[in-house]
Amino acid sequence: GAVVSQHPSWVICKSGTSVKIECRSLDFQATTMFWYRQFPKQSLMLMATSNEGSKATYEQGVEKDKFLINHASLTLSTLTVTSAHPEDSSFYICSAPASGRAPETQYFGPGTRLLVL
Amino acid sequence: AQKVTQAQTEISVVEKEDVTLDCVYETRDTTYYLFWYKQPPSGELVFLIRRNSFDEQNEISGRYSWNFQKSTSSFNFTITASQVVDSAVYFCALSGFNDYKLSFGAGTTVTVRA
Repeated sequence: GAVVSQHPSWVICKSGTSVKIECRSLDFQATTMFWYRQFPKQSLMLMATSNEGSKATYEQGVEKDKFLINHASLTLSTLTVTSAHPEDSSFYICSAPASGRAPETQYFGPGTRLLVL
Repeated sequence: AQKVTQAQTEISVVEKEDVTLDCVYETRDTTYYLFWYKQPPSGELVFLIRRNSFDEQNEISGRYSWNFQKSTSSFNFTITASQVVDSAVYFCALSGFNDYKLSFGAGTTVTVRA
């Protein structure tokens, strides 16, 4: 079946540094990908929609200058957390609907745990 | 705006008991999808079931079953004869019919004791 990968699975960084997280669709093309954030013991909240070849659209309250999204190809979206701070520590999950398939066919990546010290 | 409410924060049962998870939703869309996902301690989301808003037929899939009632905006999920491996956080989610964006409930932590 379709698979979505994320890299890295774990990242620990110092406050003030930038961290890049990759989301790849391995055996299908994804013109759209979604980025979710999940704080400990909380639900998943949609951060932004990544669109191949165009600008990402951000949900209300998400700083687009802090969370840079690039969807340069049909199989790769990257989320860069710029100048990360401890409050950005979270579990970041991407998802990708397989283009041309029914809406319910959406595949989630395994997630990336970010810890900012 | 879409909203999903899971009133149960935690449920603890003994193995082989049935577990029913409640989900109530709000949406202005006339057509939409409803989902249940499982999130084990590893964190990866596991898709369980999906229902279209125009199909209220309730079904059983293995040990999973669901009760979709559009009149009360509820989409409850039942695990029959629970097993220890069912221990996880379960999320109810909602999306528009032509929109892949998911609105998740707060999640219900299910603990199945041997």
